[in-house]
Amino acid sequence: GQQLNQSPQSMFIQEGEDVSMNCTSSSIFNTWLWYKQDPGEGPVLLIALYKAGELTSNGRLTAQFGITRKDSFLNISASIPSDVGIYFCAGRTNAGKSTFGDGTTLTVKP
Amino acid sequence: GAVVSQHPSWVICKSGTSVKIECRSLDFQATTMFWYRQFPKQSLMLMATSNEGSKATYEQGVEKDKFLINHASLTLSTLTVTSAHPEDSSFYICSAQRETGGNEKLFFGSGTQLSVL
Repeated sequence: GQQLNQSPQSMFIQEGEDVSMNCTSSSIFNTWLWYKQDPGEGPVLLIALYKAGELTSNGRLTAQFGITRKDSFLNISASIPSDVGIYFCAGRTNAGKSTFGDGTTLTVKP
Repeated sequence: GAVVSQHPSWVICKSGTSVKIECRSLDFQATTMFWYRQFPKQSLMLMATSNEGSKATYEQGVEKDKFLINHASLTLSTLTVTSAHPEDSSFYICSAQRETGGNEKLFFGSGTQLSVL
């Protein structure tokens, strides 16, 4: 099956720093979705991307759909303590099958 | 964003009993819902795809007789863990697919923590 490689696995940063994480695959996806999950909660959708090359922002978050359709990145600018959590990417095919990355655990030190 | 309600949030049950988890899309209709299982510090593992009005599609290795899925309406899917055992203890999450203008988004419920004693 399709696999996503999400990196880094974890990040420890200082408040105010920018963060970047990405997902790559050997397969092509038609949709990329980025989620944040807090402990004991379900993932919350942050950004959805539908076209190769698409760059979309949501507040301090920016995500891009790679030109090759095999990768995507998520940037968080000027991190704050409430950005702490696990971030997941998900790639979806035309058949509606979603594949999730293993997550990036973000820790922000005040 | 769209709202998906999952109930209950926590359930503790005795071994051998059955547990039903509900997933509702509150402000949109979802012909397709998904059920996942998540272990601590791991990603979501898709268990099955729930299709309104038809049988669910189970992923390889998931016992369909143990994890019964019913999607009787466009806003409700249920997962029943039958004859639960301690190894079934896990965090279960549902998601509902919303289509808008040809673009699809997945919205997740808040999850159910199942503990089987």
